[in-house]
Amino acid sequence: SQQGEEDPQALSIQEGENATMNCSYKTSINNLQWYRQNSGRGLVHLILIRSNEREKHSGRLRVTLDTSKKSSSLLITASRAADTASYFCATVLINDYKLSFGAGTTVTVRA
Amino acid sequence: NAGVTQTPKFQVLKTGQSMTLQCAQDMNHNSMYWYRQDPGMGLRLIYYSASEGTTDKGEVPNGYNVSRLNKREFSLRLESAAPSQTSVYFCASSLTGKETQYFGPGTRLLVL
Repeated sequence: SQQGEEDPQALSIQEGENATMNCSYKTSINNLQWYRQNSGRGLVHLILIRSNEREKHSGRLRVTLDTSKKSSSLLITASRAADTASYFCATVLINDYKLSFGAGTTVTVRA
Repeated sequence: NAGVTQTPKFQVLKTGQSMTLQCAQDMNHNSMYWYRQDPGMGLRLIYYSASEGTTDKGEVPNGYNVSRLNKREFSLRLESAAPSQTSVYFCASSLTGKETQYFGPGTRLLVL
């Protein structure tokens, strides 16, 4: 079974708007990672946030982590057409060496 | 620096045929992974190798075998392909297994 679950499954926004997607997980983690996948391509790493961190930024991306609620969110600010992609969260459990992926959120940015 | 490379890019098999998917990384990473991706399912781990000389089953290992040939190369073998193995297969590598994974471009496999 998959550890992470993203919400919503799909999101359609206008260029320039912000996009927020959420990830919930079931058991304690070492870290949580977000990846992007453009259609027909491999996954690209966006951000890694460790269990003792609450927020991280990378350019137009902001990730939060709430370990008490076992949830994370990814915010993309001032979206662009190039942000159209599927976004996946993935968790690494404590004492583990592999990722467990959610089913992803498909984001469409309309021009 | 090519990162993670996979061959072939696309393959069509008949039920019962065998094939090996090849993966290589040039980043001196210790850990390597094989995933399959089906529509609406995200990525599911087939097998992984936390370090050279070790391999472990992931979430969906049935029907597959792997070989960690050396630190650079990790192959995935389908001994007797079935239509249920039609999927996109991704190889990935990571320095330690807990950090960022770097993905190859994928192999699209169609089993008729």
